[in-house]
Amino acid sequence: KAGVTQTPRYLIKTRGQQVTLSCSPISGHRSVSWYQQTPGQGLQFLFEYFSETQRNKGNFPGRFSGRQFSNSRSEMNVSTLELGDSALYLCASSLVSTGGSYEQYFGPGTRLTVT
Amino acid sequence: SQQGEEDPQALSIQEGENATMNCSYKTSINNLQWYRQNSGRGLVHLILIRSNEREKHSGRLRVTLDTSKKSSSLLITASRAADTASYFCATRSGGYNKLIFGAGTRLAVHP
Repeated sequence: KAGVTQTPRYLIKTRGQQVTLSCSPISGHRSVSWYQQTPGQGLQFLFEYFSETQRNKGNFPGRFSGRQFSNSRSEMNVSTLELGDSALYLCASSLVSTGGSYEQYFGPGTRLTVT
Repeated sequence: SQQGEEDPQALSIQEGENATMNCSYKTSINNLQWYRQNSGRGLVHLILIRSNEREKHSGRLRVTLDTSKKSSSLLITASRAADTASYFCATRSGGYNKLIFGAGTRLAVHP
């Protein structure tokens, strides 16, 4: 099976702009989660989507949002970009959301630089 | 917020030696997973251990879990230069797929 894919891989934006990142999960996986990785804060959970519904949300401001489509593909959006939003954004997919012990598989990430 | 810490923060060894990394966490968990990350790239899933398991093996990897001490260890045997990477433990609590990561251990394996 193909792995988790994320587009674009690299992105440079200016402060105040908005950005949309895309994630395609492994075929058959219905849960998609997003994480932000920075040198200072490490890996932090943003949100999880399952069957087009947000199931869980991390401690991030409302500028960070996401959605999931019927084919399980997910997008996350960051509005009014700040310099501190510069990070590696990782998407992970998993078979199920509730219960069970299923591995989460990560994509290669999108490196966002805000100038 | 991070669930716990990895120990050590950095580890430097020679090829052929064993590498042991430890992870501590704070709350009860469903499972604990170990990931590898090469130079700021994506995370590669290494192994998952459930809360009712004490030890698990996968190739050169051995993971232990002590829920009474809220800790886990990852042992890489006969390390290779290609094992050079950052290693993270991540815990899953509750019914959803929210993973809480530790700060990671940077492993350098020298030829």
